[in-house]
Amino acid sequence: QKEVEQNSGPLSVPEGAIASLNCTYSDRGSQSFFWYRQYSGKSPELIMSIYSNGDKEDGRFTAQLNKASQYVSLLIRDSQPSDSATYLCAGTGSGYSTLTFGKGTMLLVSP
Amino acid sequence: EAGVTQFPSHSVIEKGQTVTLRCDPISGHDNLYWYRRVMGKEIKFLLHFVKESKQDESGMPNNRFLAERTGGTYSTLKVQPAELEDSGVYFCASSLRLNTEAFFGQGTRLTVV
Repeated sequence: QKEVEQNSGPLSVPEGAIASLNCTYSDRGSQSFFWYRQYSGKSPELIMSIYSNGDKEDGRFTAQLNKASQYVSLLIRDSQPSDSATYLCAGTGSGYSTLTFGKGTMLLVSP
Repeated sequence: EAGVTQFPSHSVIEKGQTVTLRCDPISGHDNLYWYRRVMGKEIKFLLHFVKESKQDESGMPNNRFLAERTGGTYSTLKVQPAELEDSGVYFCASSLRLNTEAFFGQGTRLTVV
C-alpha cells in the first residue's frame, strides 16, 4: 500500500526562523510531489511542486526531493505568523496521477 | 479565472437519505478528481475523471457512491443511502494535465446523523 508519512506536529518556530517540514514516501515509483497548505476549515492550497531530485525555490519556500532516500522536504524561510497552518505532502505514483496524501504537519509560528 | 467550486459547502442529512455533491472544475481542465477526508485521517482519493470518462475509481468505498461527469464539465457525487461513516469533507480537484498541479475546491462538509 502506497503511503506518505509526515510528523503530525505541531512544529513550533519563532517568527523569522526557518521552518523545516519533512515527508517520506513508500512508493519508489512516485514521480511528482506537491506541498499544500491548509488553513483550518479551508481547502488545500498548492504552494510547491517538485518533479526531479534536488532543490526548487520559490520566494520564501524551498522544496527538496531525494528519490534515492524517498524523502521530500519543505523549507520556509523568514517564517511569519500567517504561515501557521497544516502542511500536506502529496505524491503521485508511477503510471497514475492521483495524489496520495500524508496526514499533514501543523506549523505554528509565534510572533 | 474562477477556481474549483463545490456545492453545497455543508450538508447535514439523516442516515438512509440521499445527498448529491457538485463540483465545477477550472475551465479547460480535463482531469477532475474526488477526494475525501474523514475525521483524523488523511485525504484519500475516491476517483478520477478524464473528460467524461472514469479513469480510475479504485478509491470509491462501495456501490452507494456514484459519480458522474456528463459532458465532461461539472461532476456530481451521489451517496445513496448515506451511512454514518460517510461523514467527512469531500474535496474536488482539477488539473490541466496528468501528473501536474491539482487545484482543490473548498470542499463539502457532509455530516450524516
